[in-house]
Amino acid sequence: AQTVTQSQPEMSVQEAETVTLSCTYDTSESDYYLFWYKQPPSRQMILVIRQEAYKQQNATENRFSVNFQKAAKSFSLKISDSQLGDAAMYFCSIGGTSYGKLTFGQGTILTVHP
Amino acid sequence: SQTIHQWPATLVQPVGSPLSLECTVEGTSNPNLYWYRQAAGRGLQLLFYSVGIGQISSEVPQNLSASRPQDRQFILSSKKLLLSDSGFYLCAWSVRGGAFFGQGTRLTVV
Repeated sequence: AQTVTQSQPEMSVQEAETVTLSCTYDTSESDYYLFWYKQPPSRQMILVIRQEAYKQQNATENRFSVNFQKAAKSFSLKISDSQLGDAAMYFCSIGGTSYGKLTFGQGTILTVHP
Repeated sequence: SQTIHQWPATLVQPVGSPLSLECTVEGTSNPNLYWYRQAAGRGLQLLFYSVGIGQISSEVPQNLSASRPQDRQFILSSKKLLLSDSGFYLCAWSVRGGAFFGQGTRLTVV
C-alpha cells in the first residue's frame, strides 16, 4: 500500500516570492514515480512536475522544482517567482510503474497575494 | 498529441436514477484508463482502472460500476444513484507512470 501526506492544508505567498509545499510518502515498491498536480478553480488536474524515484537529480520545470529526498521519503515542491496564476490546490501523488495507479495526498491550497 | 474527453461537465440527477459518464482518449492506443472521485474538494480516490478492453479492476466497493467496450472508451455507470454518489468524477489515462486527466464531471444527486 502507498500513502501520501501533505501536512500543510493551506499556504500563502507574495507575488514574485518563493514558496515550498511539503509532501511525505510511504511505499513498499522499489520503483515508483512522484508527481505534483495543480488543480485551479476550474478543477482540471494539471501535471506540474514528475520525478522518477531511481533518478537522483531533482526534476525542474521552469519555475517549479522539487527536492526529492528518497531516504527520508520526502518530495517537496518549490515555486519560484510566484505568479497570481499559481493560486490553486496542489496535490502530491505517488504511482507505481505497473499500471500507473496514483495515490494522492489531501492537497494544499496555495494563495498568491499581489 | 493525446487528448482526453469527458462528458457531461455537470450533471444533476435524482436519487434512484441511473448514471452513465463517458470518457474517450485520442492519440494513443491501449492506454491504461482510470476513474477517480474527488469529494469535498480534497483528495482523489481511485474507483476503477482498466488495462484493456473488458478488463476492469475495482478499488473501492460501491454503488458504481465501470466498463471498457472499446480500447479508448471508459464508462462509469450506476443503476440507482445514492446521495453519497455526489462528487467530482475524473477520468484519466496513463501509458507508463503518471496520469493525465479529463476536465471532470460534477455530479449532484438530489
